[in-house]
Amino acid sequence: GDSVTQMEGPVTLSEEAFLTINCTYTATGYPSLFWYVQYPGEGLQLLLKATKADDKGSNKGFEATYRKETTSFHLEKGSVQVSDSAVYFCALSDTGNQFYFGTGTSLTVIP
Amino acid sequence: SQTIHQWPATLVQPVGSPLSLECTVEGTSNPNLYWYRQAAGRGLQLLFYSVGIGQISSEVPQNLSASRPQDRQFILSSKKLLLSDSGFYLCAWELRRGANVLTFGAGSRLTVL
Repeated sequence: GDSVTQMEGPVTLSEEAFLTINCTYTATGYPSLFWYVQYPGEGLQLLLKATKADDKGSNKGFEATYRKETTSFHLEKGSVQVSDSAVYFCALSDTGNQFYFGTGTSLTVIP
Repeated sequence: SQTIHQWPATLVQPVGSPLSLECTVEGTSNPNLYWYRQAAGRGLQLLFYSVGIGQISSEVPQNLSASRPQDRQFILSSKKLLLSDSGFYLCAWELRRGANVLTFGAGSRLTVL
C-alpha cells in the first residue's frame, strides 16, 4: 500500500543554518505530496504541496520538489529561524482521498 | 471562510470512563471528515473517515467509534477508555471535489489516568 517515510529526528540547528528533511514515498498511482507543520500544542497546518512530478511547492522560504524518479519530496530551507521550530510531517494523498503521513520530524532552531 | 472547531481542547479522564470528542466545520458543505490520533513521539494514525452523513470507515480496530449525525459534525466516542487511548486527537476536513488538501482543527489532548 501507499506509505511515507521521513527522516527521524530530532533535528537541532543553529539560526541561519541550511535545513533538509528527507521524505520518500511509496505509491501505486500518482499521488499528491504535502508538507505539514505542527507548532507546539497546535494542529497541523499545510506548509506546501505539489500535485505532479517536477512540481516545486514553496512557502515561507521552504521548498520541496516532487521527484518521481527517486520517489522523494525533500523539504529544504536556506536559512532557518527560531520561529521555524516545530514538527514537520510529509504526507501523500492518493486518488481515493486517503492521506498517509510520515512519523514527523522535530526541528529545534537555537539562536 | 471555512473553519473547523474541536472541543474540548484538553481532557483528563479515568480508565473505564466514556469519551466524546466533537468536531464541527463551518463555511462548507459535504466535506470529507477525518479523525487522526497522534500518540506521544509518534506520527499520525488515521482512525476514521467519513464521506457523508452516517457513512463511517474505520481504519484501525480499537475501542473507539465515530459518528456523523450531521453533514458538518463528526464525533469520536468510546464507552470505556483505556490507558493506551491517551494522545492528541485531530479532526480534519477536505473539500469533496478535488481540493485534495486536509485542513486540521487545533486538536484535543486526552490523558487517561
